[in-house]
Amino acid sequence: EAGVTQSPTHLIKTRGQQATLRCSPISGHTSVYWYQQALGLGLQFLLWYDEGEERNRGNFPPRFSGRQFPNYSSELNVNALELEDSALYLCASRGTPTQETQYFGPGTRLLVL
Amino acid sequence: LAKTTQPISMDSYEGQEVNITCSHNNIATNDYITWYQQFPSQGPRFIIQGYKTKVTNEVASLFIPADRKSSTLSLPRVSLSDTAVYYCLVGSHAGNNRKLIWGLGTSLAVNP
Repeated sequence: EAGVTQSPTHLIKTRGQQATLRCSPISGHTSVYWYQQALGLGLQFLLWYDEGEERNRGNFPPRFSGRQFPNYSSELNVNALELEDSALYLCASRGTPTQETQYFGPGTRLLVL
Repeated sequence: LAKTTQPISMDSYEGQEVNITCSHNNIATNDYITWYQQFPSQGPRFIIQGYKTKVTNEVASLFIPADRKSSTLSLPRVSLSDTAVYYCLVGSHAGNNRKLIWGLGTSLAVNP
């Protein structure tokens, strides 16, 4: 069974540009989570999607947004990129409503110059 | 608001047992406790999850006392490849209280 996949693996942008990151959950999983992990720091929760709807949002500005598609894949968009947005962006998926475990993808390394 | 606290770093030697404790004084009734392992530039990997008492799998044990205000991840006979950051996560997706509280991670260094 394929795990969570993310693309691209690396992304280089300049300040002010927009970045789009993609995530495909494990087959059958309906929930997708996005996290930001700055170098050497812990995971900061960004967004949680379930069944196509945004269920919860972390303490990030509105320029961080996303969506979940009917096939449960998800996109994270970051507008007006700032230097401090440089980080590893992790996507995780979760299965049935009663399952508590999240399974993580390898991440997208975003570098803002 | 619930908070999890874990040591910033720990050192050990190959073959030793390592115990990492996470404090979560305000854990809610529905909350589970989950531990993840993360290597540099990779996504966290699920290790073990529990609600109360003791859980054991092929890689670790999780001890949770009756009051559930803390939990201890036990790694038996660590090897160099266990050098990683270990995260404690407390939360639940059930009900209206869908909060997930991550610890800041414990950096474990296993020495030869």
